[in-house]
Amino acid sequence: SQQGEEDPQALSIQEGENATMNCSYKTSINNLQWYRQNSGRGLVHLILIRSNEREKHSGRLRVTLDTSKKSSSLLITASRAADTASYFCATVHRDNYGQNFVFGPGTRLSVLP
Amino acid sequence: DTEVTQTPKHLVMGMTNKKSLKCEQHMGHRAMYWYKQKAKKPPELMFVYSYEKLSINESVPSRFSPECPNSSLLNLHLHALQPEDSALYLCASSQVIPSGETQYFGPGTRLLVL
Repeated sequence: SQQGEEDPQALSIQEGENATMNCSYKTSINNLQWYRQNSGRGLVHLILIRSNEREKHSGRLRVTLDTSKKSSSLLITASRAADTASYFCATVHRDNYGQNFVFGPGTRLSVLP
Repeated sequence: DTEVTQTPKHLVMGMTNKKSLKCEQHMGHRAMYWYKQKAKKPPELMFVYSYEKLSINESVPSRFSPECPNSSLLNLHLHALQPEDSALYLCASSQVIPSGETQYFGPGTRLLVL
């Protein structure tokens, strides 16, 4: 079952603008991760934020996590055409079988030159 | 080496064919995963292997049969597939530690079932 839900589903911005994507989830998590996927390719890990962290930065990426609201946001600053891709949040929680990754539906970002 | 490789890149098969997808990693990861991804949808988990043992099978039809011959290899055997099984099949691997870590994905095999 899908746990993460991203919004917006699609986002189109101009190069140089900032892009913000949101993710909501339902159950308790160990950590939340964001991945990028270029069209028809494999996913690339961007950033991981643990359940006891509130904010994390990596280059032009900033991720926040609000466990009370069960939500996370990904901010890409000073966007570039190369940032055009689909972005997925993945929530990670453990059950009796090990760790379980559940991906949200994704946000398709288009950065126009 | 932080790469997960998958072969073939593309596969076209008939509904009566038997084929296999292959995945390989040399990062020492002991967890490996198969996902199925339809167009404009997120990856859906199919199988998880932990220490070469099947730990999660997400109610996948028996026409998909996974195999983990050793800690570096993961296969997905396909038999009597249906056209709706056409999708991108992604393999991933990760460390097996309590807090859960990053998954490394291969480029995928794009499968078309005629």
